[in-house]
Amino acid sequence: ETGVTQTPRHLVMGMTNKKSLKCEQHLGHNAMYWYKQSAKKPLELMFVYSLEERVENNSVPSRFSPECPNSSHLFLHLHTLQPEDSALYLCASSLTSGEYTGELFFGEGSRLTVL
Amino acid sequence: AQSVTQPDIHITVSEGASLELRCNYSYGATPYLFWYVQSPGQGLQLLLKYFSGDTLVQGIKGFEAEFKRSQSSFNLRKPSVHWSDAAEYFCAVGAWYNTDKLIFGTGTRLQVFP
Repeated sequence: ETGVTQTPRHLVMGMTNKKSLKCEQHLGHNAMYWYKQSAKKPLELMFVYSLEERVENNSVPSRFSPECPNSSHLFLHLHTLQPEDSALYLCASSLTSGEYTGELFFGEGSRLTVL
Repeated sequence: AQSVTQPDIHITVSEGASLELRCNYSYGATPYLFWYVQSPGQGLQLLLKYFSGDTLVQGIKGFEAEFKRSQSSFNLRKPSVHWSDAAEYFCAVGAWYNTDKLIFGTGTRLQVFP
């Protein structure tokens, strides 16, 4: 099992669809993140969960809805998306207790295309 | 405002040549600095980081970076580039013990010619 696994790797959806992205980490970390990666723009932090509580929500539109049922799983529920939401969505995890390394461990991303 | 600037969008080098990728930051507090690499179709992987101490830090895959506080820079270097180094490189800055506040640059795409 790789450290951080994201599914699906590719997703095409219409503007009226509802879909979900899934992230699973096998590293024993206690924090999980969703980032949006668009061409020629810095990575945008969307949501942070620490110990399963949301601690960061960077003014993300309500059409994106995160869920963290436990410290190993993170979901991003998508509904009524816009074409400009097409991007690579990256999940990451980290350990925020004990010895601090500051390192984020990323999954390979879910490439989302909104038609 | 806090920001990270990577002035070079795209760099092309020949295999075996030396490499320097630039990173400048603007940050109000003592910065923690990171370089990440993203190979095609992959997520980001940490190359190296600077928290304190020696301003020249060594990372994985033969990379190093030097923190220069007076220039607000954290440039990434490699003495001899390999074809497998072709990827996108991201510089990031954050505060102590606050990974969820990392600010990333826009990235530099490295192309390596044989």
